[in-house]
Amino acid sequence: KAGVTQTPRYLIKTRGQQVTLSCSPISGHRSVSWYQQTPGQGLQFLFEYFSETQRNKGNFPGRFSGRQFSNSRSEMNVSTLELGDSALYLCASSLRQASEDTQYFGPGTRLTVL
Amino acid sequence: GEDVEQSLFLSVREGDSSVINCTYTDSSSTYLYWYKQEPGAGLQLLTYIFSNMDMKQDQRLTVLLNKKDKHLSLRIADTQTGDSAIYFCAEDTGRRALTFGSGTRLQVQP
Repeated sequence: KAGVTQTPRYLIKTRGQQVTLSCSPISGHRSVSWYQQTPGQGLQFLFEYFSETQRNKGNFPGRFSGRQFSNSRSEMNVSTLELGDSALYLCASSLRQASEDTQYFGPGTRLTVL
Repeated sequence: GEDVEQSLFLSVREGDSSVINCTYTDSSSTYLYWYKQEPGAGLQLLTYIFSNMDMKQDQRLTVLLNKKDKHLSLRIADTQTGDSAIYFCAEDTGRRALTFGSGTRLQVQP
């Protein structure tokens, strides 16, 4: 079974631009969560989507948004990019069942904001 | 509140056992995880333990959970140079928003 895939793997943007990152979960997984990893703040939860609905949100400004499609693929969008948005963005998928709720991570998208 | 703490660095010799420790503060955690991250890569799930368990063994990995002290440890037996990486513990309080520690960098010396 293929793992979680994320595209693109690397992105370079300038301040003020917007960016869209994509995540395809493991086949059969319906929950997708997004995390930001930076040297200063470590790994922080952004949001979780399940059945095309945002179920939980971390403490990030409204510039960070996401969505999930009917095939469980998810995208996250960051508008009006700031230098501090430079980070590794990781998505994770899970079955979201009581008996199996482990989160499996993709390789990440490394975003550099200049 | 939720806060997960780990020591920053551990150095061991190849063939020795490594023990990475973690403390957490949220007693309602349901799952506790160990992830491995190699340079430039994402997070690889190593193992996890349910909060109602005390121990879990999976090949070279042994996880111990002390709920009273909110202490989690990962023991790697016969540590190899390929085990050199950053190890993160994480807790899930049931909301699927994992809270991660800052990571422990494991260095394995030949």
